[in-house]
Amino acid sequence: EPEVTQTPSHQVTQMGQEVILRCVPISNHLYFYWYRQILGQKVEFLVSFYNNEISEKSEIFDDQFSVERPDGSNFTLKIRSTKLEDSAMYFCASSDVKGGQPQHFGDGTRLSIL
Amino acid sequence: SQQGEEDPQALSIQEGENATMNCSYKTSINNLQWYRQNSGRGLVHLILIRSNEREKHSGRLRVTLDTSKKSSSLLITASRAADTASYFCATVGSYIPTFGRGTSLIVHP
Repeated sequence: EPEVTQTPSHQVTQMGQEVILRCVPISNHLYFYWYRQILGQKVEFLVSFYNNEISEKSEIFDDQFSVERPDGSNFTLKIRSTKLEDSAMYFCASSDVKGGQPQHFGDGTRLSIL
Repeated sequence: SQQGEEDPQALSIQEGENATMNCSYKTSINNLQWYRQNSGRGLVHLILIRSNEREKHSGRLRVTLDTSKKSSSLLITASRAADTASYFCATVGSYIPTFGRGTSLIVHP
């Protein structure tokens, strides 16, 4: 069964540094998402992406965050200047249909900010 | 807030028993989804129930939805140790699912 893959599985970064989290969505999917889960907390929506542009974003997704689909397979989340509170699991998801249909999640990248 | 809230926060049962988890929400929805998350892994979609549906089955899973009470339940019958995980409901109004805090289920062999 096709999977969403995320790299790296764990990223350790110094505060203030830029970090790029990478995702390869399922190949025939058109809608892409990033979520964040702080340890022990609920999964929080960050941003959705379709047709090479952001469709929707949450309050969490401020100017420090950006997303990009640099080629036909990768989908990236960049945090420009990381803060301690950015430490969390970041999940990428994709779906083939818009409208609340099931999303397929990757196993996440654990981001640790020192 | 549209956010679903699961109840209980934690549930511990013996293998073979049934597990019931509840989800309550506050605003109207198009559909409600249940996901499972094993420790250290991503979310796995289990079942989706639309706002005009009342009950849905998938294998050992049974989901109910009561839109008048703004609540849903997930029943896992004949639980197995492998069912140990966190279970989240996600409410969908437009097209972005909003997740609750989850129920942590432990099934003892």
